[in-house]
Amino acid sequence: AQSVTQLGSHVSVSEGALVLLRCNYSSSVPPYLFWYVQYPNQGLQLLLKYTTGATLVKGINGFEAEFKKSETSFHLTKPSAHMSDAAEYFCAVSEGNNNDMRFGAGTRLTVKP
Amino acid sequence: DGGITQSPKYLFRKEGQNVTLSCEQNLNHDAMYWYRQDPGQGLRLIYYSQIVNDFQKGDIAEGYSVSREKKESFPLTVTSAQKNPTAFYLCASSLPGQGFSGAEAFFGQGTRLTVV
Repeated sequence: AQSVTQLGSHVSVSEGALVLLRCNYSSSVPPYLFWYVQYPNQGLQLLLKYTTGATLVKGINGFEAEFKKSETSFHLTKPSAHMSDAAEYFCAVSEGNNNDMRFGAGTRLTVKP
Repeated sequence: DGGITQSPKYLFRKEGQNVTLSCEQNLNHDAMYWYRQDPGQGLRLIYYSQIVNDFQKGDIAEGYSVSREKKESFPLTVTSAQKNPTAFYLCASSLPGQGFSGAEAFFGQGTRLTVV
């Protein structure tokens, strides 16, 4: 079955600095990849997704991610962090032959003023 | 507005009792999911359903049960057999049923269950 590993349970950056959240996946078939954001006591909201086509995917709030098949990675980046970006971020993967989505353990992003 | 509604937002249960968490969606989605979230462990799949009257176990189904009698509803029962039920439970849905996985999942706001 597919799986996801998120490197770093906590990431702290200064406001205005680059945000980099790491995600590696395992899948037996070409994967579909997602990044979600969760604010405290809320559900998850989709930031961006990769299905097919262009490997650099742009999402909401200035985030983007690049699918690298050779590295089995789908890292999330944002050039300049805002205080409002502080939240927990989840990488997820699903496969083409079923419909269950598997999530990583999450990375909590803290933004310092 | 279309969306997923989970109720209640907070739920307290005595040990040994069964309790049912509600999940309703009006997005006309075929697939629905239940996840459990614990600090530091991310989301773990409990059950999912790709179509009415059909559902499959996820990674941590023991102590839980579900039904899918209607397309819009996917209730989760936490039974007394679940040894550590205190957690945040999230319901989600996605458009396609079997055979295609590129669609995103839409999430409800969650139910926080506490055993007292």
